[in-house]
Amino acid sequence: TQLLEQSPQFLSIQEGENLTVYCNSSSVFSSLQWYRQEPGEGPVLLVTVVTGGEVKKLKRLTFQFGDARKDSSLHITAAQPGDTGLYLCAGPNSGGYQKVTFGIGTKLQVIP
Amino acid sequence: NAGVTQTPKFQVLKTGQSMTLQCAQDMNHEYMSWYRQDPGMGLRLIHYSVGAGITDQGEVPNGYNVSRSTTEDFPLRLLLAAPSQTSVYFCASKRTSGREETQYFGPGTRLLVL
Repeated sequence: TQLLEQSPQFLSIQEGENLTVYCNSSSVFSSLQWYRQEPGEGPVLLVTVVTGGEVKKLKRLTFQFGDARKDSSLHITAAQPGDTGLYLCAGPNSGGYQKVTFGIGTKLQVIP
Repeated sequence: NAGVTQTPKFQVLKTGQSMTLQCAQDMNHEYMSWYRQDPGMGLRLIHYSVGAGITDQGEVPNGYNVSRSTTEDFPLRLLLAAPSQTSVYFCASKRTSGREETQYFGPGTRLLVL
């Protein structure tokens, strides 16, 4: 099973600050996905990155896929309380798209 | 569309009891899956299905059974519940085409086994 390590596990910041969270693996992934999960709800897909070096932007969120397709980062500019949640990265196992591996996640708290 | 629905939302079981967690989707997705989410462990795949009549094991299948008689429904059965199965269970579905397919999750079932 390919592992995805996320860091930091917990992050508490003030509204307006910038932050970056990371998703790393020793294995190559054909694609990686980022989800946000709010308490009591299921994860919601934010973005999928498929090409090494790819950068995708979603309003104040910037996602990057490493050149070697072993890592990814999520940068949030001017964080807002609505960004609070658990951020998960996920990718298909080497066995195929049917089996998806998830990282443990980064729990983000944005304080007003 | 209702998306992915799960019932019940909460359940308390005694060790040795059985129950079925229901999952349904109205998006005509071929692929459906079950995950459990535990603190410090993340989401782990239990079973998945790529279409009606086809199921396969995920990362942590022991103690769980599934079947897929229709495209819409994918129930998860616990035959002899154990305290180790206390968890939050999520059902998900997606199309099977391409690498950028979106996986939609249900709201989860919170299960406590005493």
